[in-house]
Parts: sequence; structure tokens; C-alpha cells
Amino acid sequence: QVQLVQSGAEVKKPGASVKVSCKASGYTFTSYYMHWVRQAPGQGLEWMGIINPSGGSTSYAQKFQGRVTMTRDTSTSTVYMELSSLRSEDTAVYYCARGPIDYWGQGTLVTVSS
Amino acid sequence: DIVMTQTPLSLSVTPGQPASISCKSSQSLLHSDGKTYLYWYLQKPGQPPQLLIYEVSNRFSGVPDRFSGSGSGTDFTLKISRVEAEDVGVYYCMQSIQLPLTFGPGTKVDIK
Repeated sequence: QVQLVQSGAEVKKPGASVKVSCKASGYTFTSYYMHWVRQAPGQGLEWMGIINPSGGSTSYAQKFQGRVTMTRDTSTSTVYMELSSLRSEDTAVYYCARGPIDYWGQGTLVTVSS
Repeated sequence: DIVMTQTPLSLSVTPGQPASISCKSSQSLLHSDGKTYLYWYLQKPGQPPQLLIYEVSNRFSGVPDRFSGSGSGTDFTLKISRVEAEDVGVYYCMQSIQLPLTFGPGTKVDIK
């Protein structure tokens, strides 16, 4: 069965970076794009970007351009999302989701606090 | 960016009664390939969203048949024929015809 298992919760200081991983299993990793979506506490869903695990190409939401980097490791079927220059407003649960957004990871809480 | 709106934003339903949620997009979600890229998700408390309906009216694997989707172009509806206690949570519509993907604000459903 399709599974997306994300790394654990993180606490970061403002200005730092965070790197969240998402390990896929149960399907051919390179056959499906992977999205990243975040959800601030008590808020809705916000799309951050997409990566093609096959070739590594990416497309990011304009809001995150310059601060987000999505990468993948085909040897371990894992995608990564790194967000830099963290601020308090980046406190959220970060989800990976297989394109066409059918399966989701369990989420990773990133807390940004001084 | 395509703006997604939902009505109502909250809904309180008696078990066994029907419920309906409307979703509207600022642009048509009909692609030249003939598909309409409108999806519905349910996020239960403390869980990630789960896919209910894809491409307007197709139930995802394991989704009960009390859930149905309809609509075309820019206007869409999710219907629950008989609400059950396990259906509580926030329902989101989403478009994937173009990047950035965008979600509706969510409709919170609870049980009376």
C-alpha cells in the first residue's frame, strides 16, 4: 500500500533553516510527482511546491521562491523540503502528498520560536 | 492564481440527514484533455487530509458511496446523503488544473 512517512517534529529559531523528509513506499517512486502543502495552526491548506522525482525538476509557489528547496534521493525513495530564513509565521504542519494529491504523509510540525 | 470559495463555512448536521457543500472557482477547471480538475478532501481532527472525490465526481478507493460529487466548469457540489458521526471534520475543495494548486477555505462539519 502507498505510504508516505515524514520526519519528526522540529523546533527552530528565527532565521534558521529546516529540512523535512518524506519517504515513499508501495509504488514506483519516480512515476508520481510529489507536492508539499503546509497548514498553520487552525488555518487552511497552502500549497508550497512540487518536485518531479524522476528528473528532479521543481516548481515553487511564488510566496516561497528563494526560501524553499525541494530535492529527492531516488536511491531511498525520499523527497526533501528545505525552508530557510524561518520566521514565526512559518510555524505549521508540513505535509508531503503524492501527485495528483491522493495520498498524504502524516505531517511534520515545525515550530519557529526564539 | 485561481481562487476557490466554499459555502457554507460551517455546517451542523443531524446524523442520518443529508449535507451539501458548494465550491466555486474563479476560472473554469475544465482542461483541454476533457477532464475537470476539482478534488474534495476531508480532514478529520488531528489527521492529514484524505481524498474523497477526484475529477469532480469519482470516489477515491474506500470512500463510502454516501459521498458524491457533481458540477462543471466553475461550480461544484459535494453531497453526503446521510451524515454519520465519523464524517465530522473540515472539507476542502482543491483545483489542480494549474499551478499554484489552490484550496478552498474549508467547511467545518459537525454533528448536532
